Order: sequence, then C-alpha cells, then structure tokens
Amino acid sequence: DVVMTQTPVSLSVSLGNQASISCRSSQSLLHSDGNTYLSWYLQKPGQSPQLLIYLASNRFSGVSNRFSGSGSGTDFTLKISRVEPEDLGVYYCFQHTHLPFTFGSGTKLEIK
Amino acid sequence: QVQLKESGPGLVQPSQTLSLTCTVAGFSLTSYNVHWVRQPPGKGLEWMGVIWNTGGTRYNSALKSRLSISKDTSKSQVFLKMNSLQTEDTATYYCARGNTWRYWGQGVMVTVSS
Repeated sequence: DVVMTQTPVSLSVSLGNQASISCRSSQSLLHSDGNTYLSWYLQKPGQSPQLLIYLASNRFSGVSNRFSGSGSGTDFTLKISRVEPEDLGVYYCFQHTHLPFTFGSGTKLEIK
Repeated sequence: QVQLKESGPGLVQPSQTLSLTCTVAGFSLTSYNVHWVRQPPGKGLEWMGVIWNTGGTRYNSALKSRLSISKDTSKSQVFLKMNSLQTEDTATYYCARGNTWRYWGQGVMVTVSS
C-alpha cells in the first residue's frame, strides 16, 4: 500500500500569514495515463471533507486562490497564503493513483 | 444536482453485521464509481472499498474478509455490508463519487456497542 506521510501534524498560524503542509508518498503517484492523482481536502468540524486541489496542482472550482498545490512524483505541498479564520480545520492529502487508495494522517490548522 | 446520502442504523451490537445504504442523485451508477470511506471519532480517513461503474468491486485488504459492496442501479443505491463488527469499527461512514472525488455524502455515524 502507498503510505502518505503528511507533516506537520498541527500548525498554528497567525491571521494573514502563510501556512505550508507537506505530503510525501512511498511511491510515485504518476499514473500510467500521465495524471498524478493527488488531492488535498479540508475537513471542517462536523463536516465532510471538501475538495481544494486535484491532480496535485489544480484548484477546484470556487476555492480561494489563496490555496495552491504543487509537487510531483512523491513530494507534494499545499500552501495557504494570507490565512483567514475560515481556513481552520484538518487538511488531508489523498492519493487515488494506486489501489488501495490512501489518505495522509491529517494536519490540524489552528489560528494563533 | 449531484447528491449522495448515507443511511443506516446508528447503533450496532458487537459481532453483528452493519448494513448501510448510499442513495445517489444527479448521476448514474453505470457511469460513475462509488467509494466508501470511514473515519473513527477524532481520527483520520480510511478508504474502505469501491464499486466500479461496471459492477466490479475492490476492497481495502484490511477489511476484505468482512466487507461487501453492491448496488442496485435502478434504485440509484449502493450498499455496504460489513460483518463481525467490533468497537473499533465505530466511525462515521461516508460514500463518495469517484473520478474527481468532489462529491461526498454527509456521513452516517455508526456506534458499535452492546
């Protein structure tokens, strides 16, 4: 199984500052079809995960341009610029290149 | 409008079988895959398995011996059955549409307790 190592476990950021979350996979997430099936989600308390980034770097429709995803192969990063109060929650990376699909263990973003 | 909604019992006794239904709207089960994901209280997300649009299935190896996913395309419903439940199966269970993984149900909380 592909192991997704997500760091840090928690992050305390002042409003207006930048946050960065790393996700590393135990094997390349480049699919034979040429796509990299790495997504980022935000789960707010009591809610289902909401898609932020798909195919490693594509911002989902309606998601603030403060969110950006980058990376390839086994190393991926989610950056949140100018953190706002509504950004709090737990962020997960998720790979659906290789079965069984796997999630990172999550990063809890708190507002300082 | 794409929607998924999970339903099922909130409480299951240990060793019993869990049966959940995911009712979908706005798309056909012959065109999209549906996955099940669960989340124990305060913990992370675990992919459980998938039923492909073709009807085939694939399961998380850790659950494979206990898990079964099926569907009724005419009723737009996907079913999860998992037997021999233990307290560690207490979780919120989600169904989600594959491909973009944009659409998730609201989740259903299942407690395993006597």
